[in-house]
Amino acid sequence: DTEVTQTPKHLVMGMTNKKSLKCEQHMGHRAMYWYKQKAKKPPELMFVYSYEKLSINESVPSRFSPECPNSSLLNLHLHALQPEDSALYLCASTQGTEAFFGQGTRLTVV
Amino acid sequence: GQSLEQPSEVTAVEGAIVQINCTYQTSGFYGLSWYQQHDGGAPTFLSYNALDGLEETGRFSSFLSRSDSYGYLLLQELQMKDSASYFCAVSGGADGLTFGKGTHLIIQP
Repeated sequence: DTEVTQTPKHLVMGMTNKKSLKCEQHMGHRAMYWYKQKAKKPPELMFVYSYEKLSINESVPSRFSPECPNSSLLNLHLHALQPEDSALYLCASTQGTEAFFGQGTRLTVV
Repeated sequence: GQSLEQPSEVTAVEGAIVQINCTYQTSGFYGLSWYQQHDGGAPTFLSYNALDGLEETGRFSSFLSRSDSYGYLLLQELQMKDSASYFCAVSGGADGLTFGKGTHLIIQP
Protein backbone atom coordinates (compact mmCIF):
# COMPACT_ATOMS: atom_id res chain seq x y z
CA ASP A 1 0.00 0.00 0.00
CA THR A 2 1.69 3.18 -1.19
CA GLU A 3 -1.24 5.50 -0.68
CA VAL A 4 -1.96 8.47 1.47
CA THR A 5 -5.72 8.78 1.88
CA GLN A 6 -7.39 12.08 2.70
CA THR A 7 -11.01 12.71 3.63
CA PRO A 8 -13.15 14.50 2.73
CA LYS A 9 -12.20 15.30 -0.85
CA HIS A 10 -14.27 18.49 -0.82
CA LEU A 11 -15.47 20.61 2.08
CA VAL A 12 -17.54 23.77 2.22
CA MET A 13 -17.73 25.41 5.62
CA GLY A 14 -18.95 28.64 7.12
CA MET A 15 -16.71 30.96 9.06
CA THR A 16 -18.27 29.88 12.37
CA ASN A 17 -18.07 26.14 11.72
CA LYS A 18 -15.70 23.58 13.19
CA LYS A 19 -14.53 20.80 10.91
CA SER A 20 -11.67 18.32 10.67
CA LEU A 21 -9.58 17.01 7.81
CA LYS A 22 -8.26 13.46 8.05
CA CYS A 23 -5.21 11.78 6.60
CA GLU A 24 -4.17 8.15 6.80
CA GLN A 25 -1.13 6.18 5.60
CA HIS A 26 -0.13 2.57 6.18
CA MET A 27 3.39 2.67 4.78
CA GLY A 28 5.01 2.89 8.21
CA HIS A 29 6.31 6.39 7.51
CA ARG A 30 7.21 8.26 10.69
CA ALA A 31 7.15 11.78 9.24
CA MET A 32 3.84 13.33 8.21
CA TYR A 33 3.05 16.80 6.92
CA TRP A 34 0.27 19.24 6.17
CA TYR A 35 0.67 21.57 3.20
CA LYS A 36 -1.62 24.32 1.90
CA GLN A 37 -1.83 25.02 -1.82
CA LYS A 38 -3.59 27.96 -3.43
CA ALA A 39 -4.48 27.90 -7.12
CA LYS A 40 -1.49 28.29 -9.46
CA LYS A 41 0.89 28.32 -6.47
CA PRO A 42 3.26 25.74 -4.98
CA PRO A 43 2.38 23.76 -1.84
CA GLU A 44 3.38 25.60 1.34
CA LEU A 45 4.43 23.70 4.43
CA MET A 46 2.18 24.16 7.46
CA PHE A 47 3.07 21.47 10.00
CA VAL A 48 5.53 18.61 10.41
CA TYR A 49 5.03 15.61 12.65
CA SER A 50 7.98 13.36 13.34
CA TYR A 51 7.38 10.18 15.33
CA GLU A 52 3.92 11.51 16.26
CA LYS A 53 5.32 14.70 17.77
CA LEU A 54 4.85 18.15 16.28
CA SER A 55 8.30 19.24 15.22
CA ILE A 56 7.57 22.21 12.95
CA ASN A 57 4.78 24.78 12.91
CA GLU A 58 5.41 27.26 10.13
CA SER A 59 3.76 30.18 11.93
CA VAL A 60 0.30 28.93 11.06
CA PRO A 61 -2.67 30.78 12.65
CA SER A 62 -4.21 29.06 15.67
CA ARG A 63 -7.48 28.54 13.80
CA PHE A 64 -5.63 25.54 12.31
CA SER A 65 -4.91 22.86 14.91
CA PRO A 66 -3.06 19.67 13.95
CA GLU A 67 -3.27 16.37 15.76
CA CYS A 68 -1.45 13.04 15.31
CA PRO A 69 -3.43 10.35 17.21
CA ASN A 70 -1.09 7.56 16.09
CA SER A 71 1.64 6.78 13.58
CA SER A 72 -0.87 6.23 10.75
CA LEU A 73 -3.26 9.13 11.26
CA LEU A 74 -3.02 12.88 10.97
CA ASN A 75 -5.87 15.32 11.54
CA LEU A 76 -6.21 19.03 10.89
CA HIS A 77 -8.90 20.70 13.00
CA LEU A 78 -10.40 23.87 11.56
CA HIS A 79 -12.24 26.58 13.47
CA ALA A 80 -13.31 30.13 12.66
CA LEU A 81 -11.66 30.10 9.26
CA GLN A 82 -11.57 33.04 6.89
CA PRO A 83 -12.47 33.06 3.18
CA GLU A 84 -8.76 33.47 2.35
CA ASP A 85 -8.17 30.04 3.92
CA SER A 86 -9.93 28.46 0.96
CA ALA A 87 -7.33 26.21 -0.68
CA LEU A 88 -6.28 22.63 -1.37
CA TYR A 89 -4.94 21.04 1.81
CA LEU A 90 -2.46 18.27 1.15
CA CYS A 91 -1.21 15.63 3.52
CA ALA A 92 2.10 13.88 2.86
CA SER A 93 4.34 11.29 4.44
CA THR A 94 7.99 10.51 3.83
CA GLN A 95 10.46 7.76 4.31
CA GLY A 96 13.83 8.85 3.06
CA THR A 97 13.87 11.17 0.12
CA GLU A 98 10.44 10.59 -1.44
CA ALA A 99 7.28 12.29 -0.25
CA PHE A 100 3.93 10.64 -0.90
CA PHE A 101 1.02 13.05 -1.17
CA GLY A 102 -2.65 12.44 -0.69
CA GLN A 103 -5.15 13.76 -3.24
CA GLY A 104 -5.99 16.62 -0.93
CA THR A 105 -9.09 18.21 0.53
CA ARG A 106 -10.40 21.15 -1.47
CA LEU A 107 -11.70 23.54 1.16
CA THR A 108 -14.03 26.44 0.48
CA VAL A 109 -14.81 28.86 3.31
CA VAL A 110 -17.99 30.87 2.81
CA GLY B 1 15.52 31.23 4.30
CA GLN B 2 15.12 29.12 1.21
CA SER B 3 14.24 30.24 -2.31
CA LEU B 4 14.03 28.43 -5.62
CA GLU B 5 13.71 29.91 -9.09
CA GLN B 6 12.29 28.12 -12.10
CA PRO B 7 10.61 29.31 -15.31
CA SER B 8 6.89 29.87 -14.99
CA GLU B 9 5.98 28.26 -18.30
CA VAL B 10 7.61 26.14 -20.98
CA THR B 11 6.10 25.04 -24.29
CA ALA B 12 7.33 22.06 -26.29
CA VAL B 13 6.23 19.77 -29.09
CA GLU B 14 5.15 16.17 -28.68
CA GLY B 15 8.10 13.82 -29.14
CA ALA B 16 10.67 16.51 -28.38
CA ILE B 17 12.99 17.02 -25.41
CA VAL B 18 12.54 19.77 -22.83
CA GLN B 19 14.70 20.96 -19.95
CA ILE B 20 13.32 22.74 -16.88
CA ASN B 21 15.95 24.60 -14.88
CA CYS B 22 15.99 25.35 -11.17
CA THR B 23 18.34 27.50 -9.14
CA TYR B 24 18.18 27.59 -5.39
CA GLN B 25 19.43 29.44 -2.34
CA THR B 26 19.14 27.51 0.86
CA SER B 27 20.79 26.58 4.10
CA GLY B 28 21.03 23.02 5.30
CA PHE B 29 20.80 21.55 1.80
CA TYR B 30 20.19 17.81 1.63
CA GLY B 31 19.06 17.38 -1.95
CA LEU B 32 16.93 18.60 -4.84
CA SER B 33 13.68 16.88 -5.69
CA TRP B 34 11.29 17.15 -8.62
CA TYR B 35 7.54 16.68 -8.44
CA GLN B 36 4.86 16.57 -11.14
CA GLN B 37 1.35 17.82 -10.54
CA HIS B 38 -1.53 17.56 -12.99
CA ASP B 39 -4.42 19.99 -12.67
CA GLY B 40 -6.64 18.88 -9.79
CA GLY B 41 -4.19 16.18 -8.75
CA ALA B 42 -1.61 15.60 -6.06
CA PRO B 43 2.12 16.18 -6.48
CA THR B 44 3.90 12.97 -7.40
CA PHE B 45 7.59 12.30 -6.91
CA LEU B 46 9.78 12.15 -10.01
CA SER B 47 13.39 12.22 -8.86
CA TYR B 48 15.90 13.22 -6.19
CA ASN B 49 19.53 14.29 -6.44
CA ALA B 50 21.74 14.53 -3.38
CA LEU B 51 25.06 14.42 -5.22
CA ASP B 52 26.35 16.14 -8.35
CA GLY B 53 25.52 14.43 -11.59
CA LEU B 54 22.73 12.97 -13.63
CA GLU B 55 20.03 10.56 -12.41
CA GLU B 56 18.00 8.80 -15.08
CA THR B 57 14.58 7.23 -14.60
CA GLY B 58 13.01 6.18 -17.85
CA ARG B 59 12.11 9.22 -19.97
CA PHE B 60 12.96 11.59 -17.11
CA SER B 61 16.44 12.60 -15.99
CA SER B 62 17.53 15.04 -13.32
CA PHE B 63 20.83 16.82 -12.86
CA LEU B 64 22.40 18.59 -9.91
CA SER B 65 25.41 20.86 -9.50
CA ARG B 66 25.83 21.68 -5.82
CA SER B 67 28.63 24.15 -6.47
CA ASP B 68 26.36 26.14 -8.80
CA SER B 69 23.18 25.65 -6.69
CA TYR B 70 21.57 24.54 -9.93
CA GLY B 71 19.63 21.61 -11.20
CA TYR B 72 17.41 20.65 -14.09
CA LEU B 73 14.78 18.14 -15.08
CA LEU B 74 15.03 16.69 -18.57
CA LEU B 75 11.98 15.14 -20.17
CA GLN B 76 12.50 13.12 -23.35
CA GLU B 77 10.05 11.78 -25.94
CA LEU B 78 7.40 14.15 -24.70
CA GLN B 79 3.84 12.88 -24.57
CA MET B 80 0.62 14.83 -24.23
CA LYS B 81 0.15 13.34 -20.76
CA ASP B 82 3.34 15.14 -19.66
CA SER B 83 1.40 18.43 -19.72
CA ALA B 84 1.47 19.38 -16.04
CA SER B 85 3.18 21.61 -13.52
CA TYR B 86 6.68 20.64 -12.45
CA PHE B 87 8.12 21.75 -9.12
CA CYS B 88 11.67 21.62 -7.91
CA ALA B 89 11.96 21.37 -4.15
CA VAL B 90 14.61 21.33 -1.47
CA SER B 91 14.40 19.50 1.80
CA GLY B 92 16.15 19.78 5.11
CA GLY B 93 16.00 16.13 6.05
CA ALA B 94 12.61 15.36 7.60
CA ASP B 95 11.75 19.04 7.88
CA GLY B 96 9.44 19.08 4.89
CA LEU B 97 9.85 20.43 1.40
CA THR B 98 10.20 23.98 0.16
CA PHE B 99 8.91 24.18 -3.39
CA GLY B 100 9.77 26.45 -6.27
CA LYS B 101 6.89 28.36 -7.85
CA GLY B 102 6.43 25.65 -10.47
CA THR B 103 6.82 25.41 -14.23
CA HIS B 104 3.71 24.89 -16.30
CA LEU B 105 4.67 22.61 -19.19
CA ILE B 106 2.50 22.87 -22.28
CA ILE B 107 2.83 20.12 -24.89
CA GLN B 108 1.67 20.90 -28.40
CA PRO B 109 0.88 18.19 -30.97
